[in-house]
Amino acid sequence: EPEVTQTPSHQVTQMGQEVILRCVPISNHLYFYWYRQILGQKVEFLVSFYNNEISEKSEIFDDQFSVERPDGSNFTLKIRSTKLEDSAMYFCASSEFGGGAYEQYFGPGTRLTVT
Amino acid sequence: QQQVKQSPQSLIVQKGGISIINCAYENTAFDYFPWYQQFPGKGPALLIAIRPDVSEKKEGRFTISFNKSAKQFSLHIMDSQPGDSATYFCAARKAAGNKLTFGGGTRVLVKP
Repeated sequence: EPEVTQTPSHQVTQMGQEVILRCVPISNHLYFYWYRQILGQKVEFLVSFYNNEISEKSEIFDDQFSVERPDGSNFTLKIRSTKLEDSAMYFCASSEFGGGAYEQYFGPGTRLTVT
Repeated sequence: QQQVKQSPQSLIVQKGGISIINCAYENTAFDYFPWYQQFPGKGPALLIAIRPDVSEKKEGRFTISFNKSAKQFSLHIMDSQPGDSATYFCAARKAAGNKLTFGGGTRVLVKP
């Protein structure tokens, strides 16, 4: 069964450093998403991406965040200058189409620890 | 108005019992209500979902009940098994959007 994959599984970085989290969505999916989950808290939407553009973003997704689809298979989340409060599990998701009842399939997540 | 409130935060149930998790929302623009199951170290996985034009949906041991007028929906896990021990999240999405708004999660422990 096709699945969303994410690398690395765990990333440790120092405050102020840039990190890039990588995702490979399911191959025939057109919509891509990033969510985050701070330890013990709920899953929060960051951004959705379609046709090489951001289609929706939350207030969390400020100027220090960016997303990119650098090639036909990868989808990345960049955090330019990490803060302690960026420590969280970051989940990538993809869906075949947007809206409606199209299921978003989640990857296993990347645990980001900012020290 | 964007929030989805979920209760309880945790639940312990005996094997064979019924687990009930409740969610409430305010935004009437929400029209798709999925439930996700998450095991430790894994991403959320869709369990079952409902649209507001039906009051109940059942898939195996999992049932969603939906009360549109009360803006509430709930997940019932019948004949709970130890393998059902996980964190369950309700969520909601607007018709025209892609953003899933999640509830706070319920950690379910099924005792053998």
